[in-house]
Amino acid sequence: SQELEQSPQSLIVQEGKNLTINCTSSKTLYGLYWYKQKYGEGLIFLMMLQKGGEEKSHEKITAKLDEKKQQSSLHITASQPSHAGIYLCGAVPLSTGTASKLTFGTGTRLQVTL
Amino acid sequence: GAGVSQSPSNKVTEKGKDVELRCDPISGHTALYWYRQSLGQGLEFLIYFQGNSAPDKSGLPSDRFSAERTGGSVSTLTIQRTQQEDSAVYLCASSRQVTQYFGPGTRLTVL
Repeated sequence: SQELEQSPQSLIVQEGKNLTINCTSSKTLYGLYWYKQKYGEGLIFLMMLQKGGEEKSHEKITAKLDEKKQQSSLHITASQPSHAGIYLCGAVPLSTGTASKLTFGTGTRLQVTL
Repeated sequence: GAGVSQSPSNKVTEKGKDVELRCDPISGHTALYWYRQSLGQGLEFLIYFQGNSAPDKSGLPSDRFSAERTGGSVSTLTIQRTQQEDSAVYLCASSRQVTQYFGPGTRLTVL
C-alpha cells in the first residue's frame, strides 16, 4: 500500500527564517498535494504537483516534486506567524492513474516564534 | 462561491447510539470523499463517490459505517452503534477534477 513519510514531525522556527518540509513516497506518484491545517479547521489547499521536476510557488511558499515523482519538498521563505499550522502532504499513486482518494502523510507541525 | 460545508460541527454521543454526519459539496463537483482524522491514525480515507459510479468503500473500517450520496450532491455518513474508537474529526472533500477541497469537519466524541 502507498506510504507517505513526512519530516520533520514538528518544527519551531523564528520569524523571518526559512524552512523546508519533506514528503517521501514509497511509490511513484500520479499527483502530490500540499495542504495546511489550523487547529479545529479543515484542510486548506496549497498546491498540487504532477510532473517530475515541477516547481510551484504561491507567495512565500514553494513546492517541488523530484524527477522520479517520489519526493516533494515544501519551502517557506521568511516565515511569518501566519504560516504556523500543520502541513500535510497527500498523494495519489501512479498506478491509480487518475484523481482518486488521497493517502496522507503524518503531518508537520510548524510553530513560528517572534 | 461557497466551499464545502459540514454539519454538525461538533457531535457528542453516547456509546451505542447511531449518528449521521452531513456534507454539502461545492456546487458542480462530481466527486465527494469522506476522511477521518484521529490522533493515533492520522488522516485516513473512508469512502469516495464519483458521479453515478459505485462508490469506493474500501476505507470503511467496519460494517457499522455507511454513506450515501443523494442526487449526486449532499452526502450523509452514518455510524451505527458508535464506539469510543470512532471519536475523531470526520472530514468531507469534493472535487471537479483533481484537486480536493475540504470542509471544516465534524468533531465526533463518543462517551
